Amino acid sequence: GQSLEQPSEVTAVEGAIVQINCTYQTSGFYGLSWYQQHDGGAPTFLSYNALDGLEETGRFSSFLSRSDSYGYLLLQELQMKDSASYFCAVRDPTGTYKYIFGTGTRLKVLA
Amino acid sequence: DTEVTQTPKHLVMGMTNKKSLKCEQHMGHRAMYWYKQKAKKPPELMFVYSYEKLSINESVPSRFSPECPNSSLLNLHLHALQPEDSALYLCASSQEGGRGANVLTFGAGSRLTVL
Repeated sequence: GQSLEQPSEVTAVEGAIVQINCTYQTSGFYGLSWYQQHDGGAPTFLSYNALDGLEETGRFSSFLSRSDSYGYLLLQELQMKDSASYFCAVRDPTGTYKYIFGTGTRLKVLA
Repeated sequence: DTEVTQTPKHLVMGMTNKKSLKCEQHMGHRAMYWYKQKAKKPPELMFVYSYEKLSINESVPSRFSPECPNSSLLNLHLHALQPEDSALYLCASSQEGGRGANVLTFGAGSRLTVL
């Protein structure tokens, strides 16, 4: 099976840079995705890394290293609206549509 | 249309009631998902339909019964639920292959309270 571990909570100030890590144990997978979920809202897709390396989308970047079983989401120029929960996610290769989420990280951005 | 629409937004039901949650998408996605999410927890996969056929059932109790009438609609029928089934139920859809299979679009969810 799959296991994706994330820190439970991260706190940072406005304008700062924060990194949210995701470590996984899996026999193989198709790539690593990241989602943002505000309180009371639905998860929304942020980024997907199919290959090792860095993907940049505006203030958000995501990194994957398959050899280290590790990925992270980097948020730059933090804004108050970035306060939310962030989940990494993978598609289990043993079940083509089995799509599971990491334990989640709650980000608090302070003024 | 890039949305997944879920109804109702809120539902309160007794343990003997029968109700249904509905989900609709018009993005041409052929994979549709039901997730259950408790407060401060990640979404937990329940069911997946691909091409209107049940692809994954994550050992969900039979009091939850999914249905996929066509490629745009997904239902979750609820019967004889327990208070611990109270949660946010999320519907999602994705393409069936390629990069798009790793990009799920979620509905706003149906918040269920079982009394």
